[in-house]
Amino acid sequence: EDKVVQSPLSLVVHEGDTVTLNCSYEVTNFRSLLWYKQEKKAPTFLFMLTSSGIEKKSGRLSSILDKKELFSILNITATQTGDSAIYLCAAPNDYKLSFGAGTTVTVRA
Amino acid sequence: DGGITQSPKYLFRKEGQNVTLSCEQNLNHDAMYWYRQDPGQGLRLIYYSQIVNDFQKGDIAEGYSVSREKKESFPLTVTSAQKNPTAFYLCASSIVGESEQPQHFGDGTRLSIL
Repeated sequence: EDKVVQSPLSLVVHEGDTVTLNCSYEVTNFRSLLWYKQEKKAPTFLFMLTSSGIEKKSGRLSSILDKKELFSILNITATQTGDSAIYLCAAPNDYKLSFGAGTTVTVRA
Repeated sequence: DGGITQSPKYLFRKEGQNVTLSCEQNLNHDAMYWYRQDPGQGLRLIYYSQIVNDFQKGDIAEGYSVSREKKESFPLTVTSAQKNPTAFYLCASSIVGESEQPQHFGDGTRLSIL
């Protein structure tokens, strides 16, 4: 059975801090890993990672994949209150997505 | 605007009652999905459909039913057999045959028991 595990489950930081979120996976026929941000409603797509060691960046967010050790990290630098959300990672298998439990990030002013 | 519309946003169910959650998309996607989200458990797949008139059970299908009569629509019925229906329900869609494409999500329906 496919497994996607995120850690920590929650964390609280102050504005300006850097946050590192972890996602480990055990997926048959691994092809990619996806990160989503969820603010109360619909998850919105952040990154898709397919190759090891290649960092993807979008503003203050970045992510990287390690296919040898089967994990990915999502970094958020100079956090802002608008970064408060649940961050989900997921791995597709056939036509399904297996999601981790998510990491709830709270950024205090 | 292309997207996924879920309705209603909030729904209350009485004991023994079936309720239906609506999901409509105008993205021309073949594949559609229903997820249930509980605190601390992430998203769990209920049902998915890759083509009209065909659908498959996900990981937690018991107590739920779906239909896919039109490409744009994938309604979910929460039956009285689902004893713990209180959750946030998300509908998603994607392009079939391109598993690297991300799924697009609706804004969700929050279901509670009266």
